[in-house]
Amino acid sequence: EAQVTQNPRYLITVTGKKLTVTCSQNMNHEYMSWYRQDPGLGLRQIYYSMNVEVTDKGDVPEGYKVSRKEKRNFPLILESPSPNQTSLYFCASRAHRDRVSYEQYFGPGTRLTVT
Amino acid sequence: AQKITQTQPGMFVQEKEAVTLDCTYDTSDPSYGLFWYKQPSSGEMIFLIYQGSYDQQNATEGRYSLNFQKARKSANLVISASQLGDSAMYFCAMREGPGGSGNTGKLIFGQGTTLQVKP
Repeated sequence: EAQVTQNPRYLITVTGKKLTVTCSQNMNHEYMSWYRQDPGLGLRQIYYSMNVEVTDKGDVPEGYKVSRKEKRNFPLILESPSPNQTSLYFCASRAHRDRVSYEQYFGPGTRLTVT
Repeated sequence: AQKITQTQPGMFVQEKEAVTLDCTYDTSDPSYGLFWYKQPSSGEMIFLIYQGSYDQQNATEGRYSLNFQKARKSANLVISASQLGDSAMYFCAMREGPGGSGNTGKLIFGQGTTLQVKP
């Protein structure tokens, strides 16, 4: 089954404790990205990757890091989480060419709470 | 700058009736794509429908249709014959530029509209 998986799905942590949210896709997609969802703001892009070893900042990259060492994986790293990073996080992937719409496939989301 | 606006924070509709969710967008790029996603209470993002800026006809997918008015920069979602399972948050999103390999693929999302279907 074609899918994007994220782990963990729920996480409660404390300020300053480094964490990683993993994202993996099994569709051989080149493009992957991370979004955060906050009430009244919709989803905003954090980082994206066009392919292995190619990453760039989205609209709200402060406080986050990413890496793309393998095509299927795109982890999101919070080196020193703060309460303002409490949010719902989505990983997404898409192929460059397989559909006219180039729609993005979203993971199930990770609900992060930083206290 | 590109922008998506959904002016209806919440809406109610009676089961089996049709409902229109509004979306307006702003972009200076002649090539773009418009998407609607559904987010049920469980949280996942479900792709519903897509409209390309050069598409001549309005997109339809089952009970979903997109009322695309390019001159007015609006891309309203119409859900016909509402069902209880349609209760969810709905997001309109835009991708600027053609969706090829050179496109970053970034989606700009609206604030969302919460739809409640009444039995």
